[in-house]
Amino acid sequence: DSGVTQTPKHLITATGQRVTLRCSPRSGDLSVYWYQQSLDQGLQFLIQYYNGEERAKGNILERFSAQQFPDLHSELNLSSLELGDSALYFCASSVGTSGGYTDTQYFGPGTRLTVL
Amino acid sequence: AQSVTQLGSHVSVSEGALVLLRCNYSSSVPPYLFWYVQYPNQGLQLLLKYTSAATLVKGINGFEAEFKKSETSFHLTKPSAHMSDAAEYFCAVSALLNYGGSQGNLIFGKGTKLSVKP
Repeated sequence: DSGVTQTPKHLITATGQRVTLRCSPRSGDLSVYWYQQSLDQGLQFLIQYYNGEERAKGNILERFSAQQFPDLHSELNLSSLELGDSALYFCASSVGTSGGYTDTQYFGPGTRLTVL
Repeated sequence: AQSVTQLGSHVSVSEGALVLLRCNYSSSVPPYLFWYVQYPNQGLQLLLKYTSAATLVKGINGFEAEFKKSETSFHLTKPSAHMSDAAEYFCAVSALLNYGGSQGNLIFGKGTKLSVKP
């Protein structure tokens, strides 16, 4: 158990819909990262928040957005869903933002999104 | 830009045999490198990481990796495979900012699925 929790574990929805994925980081971790894992693209970084502020952006679509709340949990919002958005969405957390030198990114179990 | 290439999407070994999973990286500055393992229906677990302290890095579950700058490689090895090692393994590099600092997020390779035959 990494200490990172993600809800829900599975989500099945229809095209055009909007969903929210939730992540609670490990106690004491200030950074939250979102990654998407799909068969064709592999593991792709989406976005990072540090202590409530957006820190870095990766290959995140404009239909997707995220935020980190004062209690440090984070939500990833996916809207106007398409079939191609079906994937496993991982959240990871770390203490800071040094990218692994002093931090280790701990991954949650993921949310499997299926868009029908 | 940094990148990671994992050679071989599938590797199959016999129980007790040497495990060798290959990873080559591209980076303009000394990188931070990682190996993660993903068991079926689970999240990613850190096996080991290289942060320039030592070129031979020992990780959990008997795995180790050697950083070779001249070959831009960070191959993962284990002397004797166990059935429980069957999983997917990901090599990753920490993304760098333009001025050389770390951005924080990881850039992953495509992964290598390891099968262990009895």
